[in-house]
Amino acid sequence: NAGVTQTPKFRILKIGQSMTLQCTQDMNHNYMYWYRQDPGMGLKLIYYSVGAGITDKGEVPNGYNVSRSTTEDFPLRLELAAPSQTSVYFCASWTDSYEQYFGPGTRLTVT
Amino acid sequence: GQNIDQPTEMTATEGAIVQINCTYQTSGFNGLFWYQQHAGEAPTFLSYNVLDGLEEKGRFSSFLSRSKGYSYLLLKELQMKDSASYLCAVKDSNYQLIWGAGTKLIIKP
Repeated sequence: NAGVTQTPKFRILKIGQSMTLQCTQDMNHNYMYWYRQDPGMGLKLIYYSVGAGITDKGEVPNGYNVSRSTTEDFPLRLELAAPSQTSVYFCASWTDSYEQYFGPGTRLTVT
Repeated sequence: GQNIDQPTEMTATEGAIVQINCTYQTSGFNGLFWYQQHAGEAPTFLSYNVLDGLEEKGRFSSFLSRSKGYSYLLLKELQMKDSASYLCAVKDSNYQLIWGAGTKLIIKP
């Protein structure tokens, strides 16, 4: 099992550009999450999904969108990138066991 | 509101014992997690407590008191590789984790 994979690992965007962060898991987990982590801070939940076709907002959803057409994939879309979206983005998946599995992260800089 | 508090930074000596505290106030409670995060890496799971008491796993132990909204992570026989941030997170009733800001642990020789 590859676990949770994320692409790209690094990205630099100009203000106003858009991009999609990809997340895929091969563990057949129902729950998937997108977090952002600013330097020296904890994880903030952006969006989550409890199954294909179901998504819900987390703590900091503004400026982002998600979709969940399959169990495996949970892409995060940034529209009109702003400097405040400079952060490290982590995707995670979860089943009815208690451990969340994290992807390696995407380091995004908006300038 | 939802609130999780941890010390920002702690320093300890190699071979010693350190206790990292976490206090929480959340709308729901379905368990408390501890994760380790090395700089530049993703968090990795350490422990999970849902009932009061102490859970021991090798050099690491985690304690929970639900009535006090309190947990701690105890690290014994500290090694240099234990230098990392330790994140406390509470699972609320909506399958979300509420995360603390993390405690940066510095180990000195």
